[in-house]
Amino acid sequence: EAQVTQNPRYLITVTGKKLTVTCSQNMNHEYMSWYRQDPGLGLRQIYYSMNVEVTDKGDVPEGYKVSRKEKRNFPLILESPSPNQTSLYFCASSLGLSSYEQYFGPGTRLTVT
Amino acid sequence: LAKTTQPISMDSYEGQEVNITCSHNNIATNDYITWYQQFPSQGPRFIIQGYKTKVTNEVASLFIPADRKSSTLSLPRVSLSDTAVYYCLVGDMLNQFYFGTGTSLTVIP
Repeated sequence: EAQVTQNPRYLITVTGKKLTVTCSQNMNHEYMSWYRQDPGLGLRQIYYSMNVEVTDKGDVPEGYKVSRKEKRNFPLILESPSPNQTSLYFCASSLGLSSYEQYFGPGTRLTVT
Repeated sequence: LAKTTQPISMDSYEGQEVNITCSHNNIATNDYITWYQQFPSQGPRFIIQGYKTKVTNEVASLFIPADRKSSTLSLPRVSLSDTAVYYCLVGDMLNQFYFGTGTSLTVIP
């Protein structure tokens, strides 16, 4: 089944404790992206990647890192999480420049205390 | 990066046609217009995409005027299961996307 998976689905952590949220897709998509969703602010793009080893900042990249060493994986790294990063995070993928149809993962609900 | 403006919310009765309009005054020549649907606690789901004039699929229609500064998503005969948030996106060739806050559609029995 074609899908985007994220892990973990739920995470409660403390300020400053490094964490990684994994994202994997099995559709051989070139483009991958991370979004966060907050009440009243909608979906905001954090980082995106056009292909392996190519990443770029979205609207709200501060406090996040990403890497794209393999085509299928696009982990989101929070080196020192803070409470303002408490949010619902979505990973998405698409074919790339030839298609704007993005496939979204199920989401990761992160709480930073 | 072209940003979009949509109504915050809309209500409709079951069985009616719903039209949601999106404004994107700064749309660039190479930008496509894409609409997504999102249910609570789920990731957005692609509905339809277009560049100009009219596009129709099994779920919706998308109307884009000649100047492309706005677009209208049309949902025929909505049902309760169409209650969701609908996002209009305008994408550039750099593939950076702006979702905004979307339009919350409530379908009333």
